[in-house]
Amino acid sequence: AQTVTQSQPEMSVQEAETVTLSCTYDTSENNYYLFWYKQPPSRQMILVIRQEAYKQQNATENRFSVNFQKAAKSFSLKISDSQLGDTAMYFCAFIKAQGGSEKLVFGKGTKLTVNP
Amino acid sequence: ETGVTQSPTHLIKTRGQQVTLRCSSQSGHNTVSWYQQALGQGPQFIFQYYREEENGRGNFPPRFSGLQFPNYSSELNVNALELDDSALYLCASSSVGHYGYTFGSGTRLTVV
Repeated sequence: AQTVTQSQPEMSVQEAETVTLSCTYDTSENNYYLFWYKQPPSRQMILVIRQEAYKQQNATENRFSVNFQKAAKSFSLKISDSQLGDTAMYFCAFIKAQGGSEKLVFGKGTKLTVNP
Repeated sequence: ETGVTQSPTHLIKTRGQQVTLRCSSQSGHNTVSWYQQALGQGPQFIFQYYREEENGRGNFPPRFSGLQFPNYSSELNVNALELDDSALYLCASSSVGHYGYTFGSGTRLTVV
């Protein structure tokens, strides 16, 4: 069974600075996707960034980038130029890319606070 | 393009009762998945529906059941509610094989 571990329950950062959230996962699959989701107090899960395991290049989306280390099974999220609106819970998630059920496996989350 | 809509937003039920939660998929999506998110935890997969049939299930008892309709909307039904069923229930729609999931804002269920 796949597992996702987020070892930082809470983090804080000053506005405009950079912060990195950690995620490790365990799987025997070779073809899969990894995600970072943001969950603000509005409760809706919002996709921040997605990485296909077969792509060696790290995904980037504006101020958000990942460091994907497939051999180490590590998938960290870097937020540059942090903004107050980045304050939220952040969840790392895994899904195997094969036929059948598409089941997202989530970590327990990291609560990020951006301070003015 | 419409997003995923869930109803109701909040619900209070008594232990032993039954509840039905509803989800409207994003336009163009053909699968719906349901997740349970307990307070302070990550979401846990309940099940997925595709072509109106259950297409995979997590570690949830049979009193958790669902439906998907021809317009791809979905219902989650929970019978014989227990206090531990209190949680945020999230619905996510997608197109099978595309691995792009749109979540709703959830239904907060409280069982007393």
